[in-house]
Amino acid sequence: KAGVTQTPRYLIKTRGQQVTLSCSPISGHRSVSWYQQTPGQGLQFLFEYFSETQRNKGNFPGRFSGRQFSNSRSEMNVSTLELGDSALYLCASSLAGGQGYNEQFFGPGTRLTVL
Amino acid sequence: AQSVAQPEDQVNVAEGNPLTVKCTYSVSGNPYLFWYVQYPNRGLQFLLKYITGDNLVKGSYGFEAEFNKSQTSFHLKKPSALVSDSALYFCAVRDSSASKIIFGSGTRLSIRP
Repeated sequence: KAGVTQTPRYLIKTRGQQVTLSCSPISGHRSVSWYQQTPGQGLQFLFEYFSETQRNKGNFPGRFSGRQFSNSRSEMNVSTLELGDSALYLCASSLAGGQGYNEQFFGPGTRLTVL
Repeated sequence: AQSVAQPEDQVNVAEGNPLTVKCTYSVSGNPYLFWYVQYPNRGLQFLLKYITGDNLVKGSYGFEAEFNKSQTSFHLKKPSALVSDSALYFCAVRDSSASKIIFGSGTRLSIRP
């Protein structure tokens, strides 16, 4: 089975621009979560989608948004980029049939640099 | 509110010695607890989880973790450390109402030959 894939792997943007990151979950997985990883803040939860609905949301400003498509693929968007948005963005998928005990499978991440 | 704490930023162990990486948690309901590992330049990988049942959980690469309800802890252990175990380890918790998962700040494990 193919793992979680994320595109692009690396991205360089300038302040004020917007960016869209893509995640394809493992086949059969219906839950997709997004995380921001930085050296100072660790792993911060952004949001979780299940069957095209946002199920949980972290404490990030409205500039961060996401969506999930009917094939479970997900995208996250960051508008009006700030220098502090520079981070590794990780996507994770799980079976998550409504319960929370399924482990997550992580993609390699997208390294976003904001100049 | 849910929270998880990894009190040690770094743990240093000699190869062949036992290792422990500590994790304590706080949830309002029953906890689902997870350990993940992140090797350099690689994504996070699932190690093991506790849902219910036996307090001692066995996982990948010879790791195990012990769930202690009274101490609200879920420490990761391995009887004999390998240099290849050197990595960043994350503890995570989610309560049974399937609210958002919370990750600890991570513990860097360094195994010296």
